[in-house]
Amino acid sequence: NAGVTQTPKFQVLKTGQSMTLQCAQDMNHNSMYWYRQDPGMGLRLIYYSASEGTTDKGEVPNGYNVSRLNKREFSLRLESAAPSQTSVYFCASSDPGQSYEQYFGPGTRLTVT
Amino acid sequence: QKEVEQDPGPLSVPEGAIVSLNCTYSNSAFQYFMWYRQYSRKGPELLMYTYSSGNKEDGRFTAQVDKSSKYISLFIRDSQPSDSATYLCAMGGYGSWGKLQFGAGTQVVVTP
Repeated sequence: NAGVTQTPKFQVLKTGQSMTLQCAQDMNHNSMYWYRQDPGMGLRLIYYSASEGTTDKGEVPNGYNVSRLNKREFSLRLESAAPSQTSVYFCASSDPGQSYEQYFGPGTRLTVT
Repeated sequence: QKEVEQDPGPLSVPEGAIVSLNCTYSNSAFQYFMWYRQYSRKGPELLMYTYSSGNKEDGRFTAQVDKSSKYISLFIRDSQPSDSATYLCAMGGYGSWGKLQFGAGTQVVVTP
């Protein structure tokens, strides 16, 4: 039982490049979330998926797209990376029908130069 | 103004002391409250959660919620160097699809 896994762990991109961050959970949770964490800002919600087949914007969605591939997997895409997207990205999952606790992956450290 | 305010610290305490952390919030729709612990370069780990006002105890940890004052606290008794981490409060409201609003996190350093 791995919980929430994320790939890659680290990535360096040049401005304008694109990439996809992958997230998978094995807890059979309905809801999944993408956050970014910046110093002094806490965790800010980028996008979330309340259930398979649905996605919605969070607090800071600009410059990102997401895909809920199936119940287990939720990916985050940066189409044209900018230095302002340098951050640590966390994926989380929960099952709000049962309880509201979210469980987090280990994170992806992204640097855009 | 942020919906959730949390002092970023750092908070430095000697081993064995009580650590006291708190958050204030402005949204009266928040009904459930959590504390996460985050070690350096790791993901947040759920520590405590509560859905009501009052106290909840789990070993050395006590979570306290005062909805009338919009104030939550976490107390760590008999602190250990292994408690050195950043502690984030989080909260949400029913009907918000499980979304959480996080505080900025308080860095705690427990010195031997």
